[in-house]
Formats: sequence, structure tokens, C-alpha cells
Amino acid sequence: AQSVAQPEDQVNVAEGNPLTVKCTYSVSGNPYLFWYVQYPNRGLQFLLKYITGDNLVKGSYGFEAEFNKSQTSFHLKKPSALVSDSALYFCAVTEYDKIIFGKGTRLHILP
Amino acid sequence: GAGVSQSPSNKVTEKGKDVELRCDPISGHTALYWYRQSLGQGLEFLIYFQGNSAPDKSGLPSDRFSAERTGGSVSTLTIQRTQQEDSAVYLCASSSDSSSYNEQFFGPGTRLTVL
Repeated sequence: AQSVAQPEDQVNVAEGNPLTVKCTYSVSGNPYLFWYVQYPNRGLQFLLKYITGDNLVKGSYGFEAEFNKSQTSFHLKKPSALVSDSALYFCAVTEYDKIIFGKGTRLHILP
Repeated sequence: GAGVSQSPSNKVTEKGKDVELRCDPISGHTALYWYRQSLGQGLEFLIYFQGNSAPDKSGLPSDRFSAERTGGSVSTLTIQRTQQEDSAVYLCASSSDSSSYNEQFFGPGTRLTVL
């Protein structure tokens, strides 16, 4: 069965520093991988996805993620964090017709 | 264009009462999903509808939960005889179809509090 893990409940980063939010997955076939962001009192918003092709995927708000098949990871990254990036981030994986979400990582960007 | 809308935004009810939560998906989206988000937890899949096919109800936690989708558009999630453990944010999402590679568009959620 497919699964996804976000090993950090919370990540703190100083504004202007690079940020990484970790995600690992487990599927039996080829994964489709997603990142979503949830700002306070808002629904989830799609950030980016990996379907096939280039392992480095670029998305909204300057975020990118790298698909690493050997490490079964899909970490979310941004070169320079903004205070407005503070939110709850969810990694998700689909294999067939079900999408499984991680438990989320709360990102705090410190001014 | 309009996104996914949900109503009410907040619902407070007493234990044992029934509640109905409504979702209006993006026009033209054939796939519709319901999730539950509890404090400190990820998203728990409840049910999804794809066009006129029979819904996938495999995530519904008990027979107190049911959902319907009328005319392939608006959906209603009904919780009967609510319990305190039903308190959560209920999120609805839609996508152009249920293909695994399509992203989902989420509504703002309904916060349900069962006293």
C-alpha cells in the first residue's frame, strides 16, 4: 500500500535562508507526487507536482521539489524564505486512484 | 472563475444531532472529494465521486456518515447522530477528473464542533 511520511512536525527557518521540508514515500509502482500548502484559516492550495520527466519540479511562489527515486524522497525547497511562507505544508502521493496525504509540516519563517 | 465553496464555514451542534455540510465544486469538474482534517492530523480521505460512477465510500469512518452528489455537481455530506469525535474541519475538493496526476482544488472547509 502507498504511504507518505513527513518526518518533521515543524521547521523553523530565518527569513532569507534556504528552506527544506522533507517528504518520503512508499509505493509499489511509479508515484505521482504533490505538495500542497495551507495558510491559516484557508483550504489547501496546490503548489507543484511530479508526474514524469525532469526530477526538479518548479511550482508556485518560488518553491521547487526534487524527485529522488533511489531515496524515495520528494523534498520541498525554496532558496530564500519569506515570512509569508509560514504555513502548513502537505506532501501527497497517488499510485492508482487514491491520494494519500502526509500529516503535514508546519513551517515557521522567523523575521 | 469561482473556486470550490463550502457551507457553512462553521457549525456547532449538540451530540446526537444530525448535520449536513455542503460543497459546490468548480464548474465542469467531474471528480469531487471529501476529507476530514483533525487537529494535529493529516487529511483523512472520506469519499469521492467521479461523474456518474458509484462513489468510493471506502474512507467513511462509520455508517453515520453518508454523502450524495446531485446532478454531478453539488455534494452534501451528512453526519447522523454526531459524536464529539466527529469534531474536525471537513474539506471538499474537486478536480477535472479522477486521474491520479490531476491536482485537486480545495474549498475553505467547514469547521464542525460537536458539544
